[in-house]
Amino acid sequence: GESVGLHLPTLSVQEGDNSIINCAYSNSASDYFIWYKQESGKGPQFIIDIRSNMDKRQGQRVTVLLNKTVKHLSLQIAATQPGDSAVYFCAENTGNQFYFGTGTSLTVIP
Amino acid sequence: GAGVSQSPSNKVTEKGKDVELRCDPISGHTALYWYRQSLGQGLEFLIYFQGNSAPDKSGLPSDRFSAERTGGSVSTLTIQRTQQEDSAVYLCASSLGMNSPLHFGNGTRLTVT
Repeated sequence: GESVGLHLPTLSVQEGDNSIINCAYSNSASDYFIWYKQESGKGPQFIIDIRSNMDKRQGQRVTVLLNKTVKHLSLQIAATQPGDSAVYFCAENTGNQFYFGTGTSLTVIP
Repeated sequence: GAGVSQSPSNKVTEKGKDVELRCDPISGHTALYWYRQSLGQGLEFLIYFQGNSAPDKSGLPSDRFSAERTGGSVSTLTIQRTQQEDSAVYLCASSLGMNSPLHFGNGTRLTVT
């Protein structure tokens, strides 16, 4: 899984399968977390966010899980599609600052 | 509605020249951030503007880098006497403020030759 500061890991999944992308964050004081998707040549695109008073949040085909005990965040993508192929990274927010992981490259195999 | 707009999308410049990168944030967003993204690297914070407060310049890598935000809207990032190590994608993001997601532009890809 991804962690702030590590090299870019990769994940390949078959179309239609579920994907799970992980992120370890560093600051226990962080109270807001975001997942972004970045396609080649584009800026990061907001996917879903979660506040520290929650442990799960669902969107359309995506679910974010937050485990504050072990400072772990995950993004689950249901029924992965070719258009989901991109780099995904998490961000943690402390005060006015955001700290970003280097990302996980997701490849969907048709 | 319109998202964050950055211009130019690509800029090639010679070492030693100055460059200006422009960011138009989403209307009504009071917070504006500049980041730098190098290949395979995470986003490197450069500078943060919030309303009329003094900007947080703690991420600027050298005094060759400066930024301003006029009228609480458009921002310009200026790099003087560019060096090859300045080559990167420069991303601008805006948000409504605390605990709100950042919305990014598509960036300016700067290449210093």
